[in-house]
Amino acid sequence: AQTVTQSQPEMSVQEAETVTLSCTYDTSESDYYLFWYKQPPSRQMILVIRQEAYKQQNATENRFSVNFQKAAKSFSLKISDSQLGDAAMYFCAYRTPGGANSKLTFGKGITLSVRP
Amino acid sequence: EPEVTQTPSHQVTQMGQEVILRCVPISNHLYFYWYRQILGQKVEFLVSFYNNEISEKSEIFDDQFSVERPDGSNFTLKIRSTKLEDSAMYFCASPVGPSDTQYFGPGTRLTVL
Repeated sequence: AQTVTQSQPEMSVQEAETVTLSCTYDTSESDYYLFWYKQPPSRQMILVIRQEAYKQQNATENRFSVNFQKAAKSFSLKISDSQLGDAAMYFCAYRTPGGANSKLTFGKGITLSVRP
Repeated sequence: EPEVTQTPSHQVTQMGQEVILRCVPISNHLYFYWYRQILGQKVEFLVSFYNNEISEKSEIFDDQFSVERPDGSNFTLKIRSTKLEDSAMYFCASPVGPSDTQYFGPGTRLTVL
């Protein structure tokens, strides 16, 4: 079974600084997808970024980028120029390429606080 | 971002009562998912539903749970006899796009007293 591990329960960053959130996963599959979701206090789950395992290039979305290390099974999220609105819980998630018929497996999440 | 809607936003019920949570996934989508998040814990898969049938379910999804598509667009998650430990956020999600990325509804917060 696939597992996703987020070992840091909490992190803090100064506004405008950069922070990296760690995630590792375990799978025997060679093709899969990885995601970061943000959960603000409203508790909505918001997609931040997606990475396809077959792509060597790391995904980026504005201030958010990932460091995908397939051999190490590591998938970290870097947030640049942190803003107060980035304060939230962040979940790393894994999915096999079963198309629409493939569930997400989540890590326990990390709570990010942003200091003004 | 594609829109998935859920109602109600918050449901309070007494232990042993039945609850029905509703979801309207992205239009014309045949797949959708239900997930559960107990407060402060990770998001857990409950069940996936495709074309009016359960595609996959977790060990959490026991006989107390059921899913239906009552009218072709709405999907429901029913808990027949709620327990205190059913208190959680319940999310539905629809897969979209070439990567079938799942987009989540705003969730229903269920409180069982």
